[in-house]
Amino acid sequence: AQTVTQSQPEMSVQEAETVTLSCTYDTSESDYYLFWYKQPPSRQMILVIRQEAYKQQNATENRFSVNFQKAAKSFSLKISDSQLGDAAMYFCAYRSITNAGKSTFGDGTTLTVKP
Amino acid sequence: ETGVTQSPTHLIKTRGQQVTLRCSSQSGHNTVSWYQQALGQGPQFIFQYYREEENGRGNFPPRFSGLQFPNYSSELNVNALELDDSALYLCASSRLQGSNTEAFFGQGTRLTVV
Repeated sequence: AQTVTQSQPEMSVQEAETVTLSCTYDTSESDYYLFWYKQPPSRQMILVIRQEAYKQQNATENRFSVNFQKAAKSFSLKISDSQLGDAAMYFCAYRSITNAGKSTFGDGTTLTVKP
Repeated sequence: ETGVTQSPTHLIKTRGQQVTLRCSSQSGHNTVSWYQQALGQGPQFIFQYYREEENGRGNFPPRFSGLQFPNYSSELNVNALELDDSALYLCASSRLQGSNTEAFFGQGTRLTVV
């Protein structure tokens, strides 16, 4: 069974600064997907960024980028130029390539953005 | 907006009662997955429905059951409610397989058991 671990329950960043959220995972599969989701107080789970394990290039999406280290089973999220609207709970998630609907989530990191 | 809607948004039930939560899937999706998210934790996979059949189940007791309808919408039923069932229940719709399929989440139903 796959597991996802987020070791930082809370993180804080100054507006316009950069913050990195950590995630490690465990799997015996060679192909899979990894995701970062944002969950604001509105509760909607919003996809931030996605990484395919077979791609060596790290995914980027505007101010969001990942550092994917497959051998180390590490998948961190970097948020550049942090904005007040980035404040939310962030979840790292793992998904097998064979089932789009079943994901394994970490316990989340609460990100606070200070003005 | 993802096109996945859940109802109701909030619900209060008494211990021992039964509850039904509903989820409409996004157009073009044939799979609905249900998750339980306890306060301060990540979502935990309950089960998934594909073509009206259960297609995988997490570590949840049989009193958690579901249905999927021909239009791919889904219900989650919980019998004999316990206090620990208080949580946010999320559904996600997707296509079962495919390299570019994505799961889209609804806004959740907040269930409180008293």
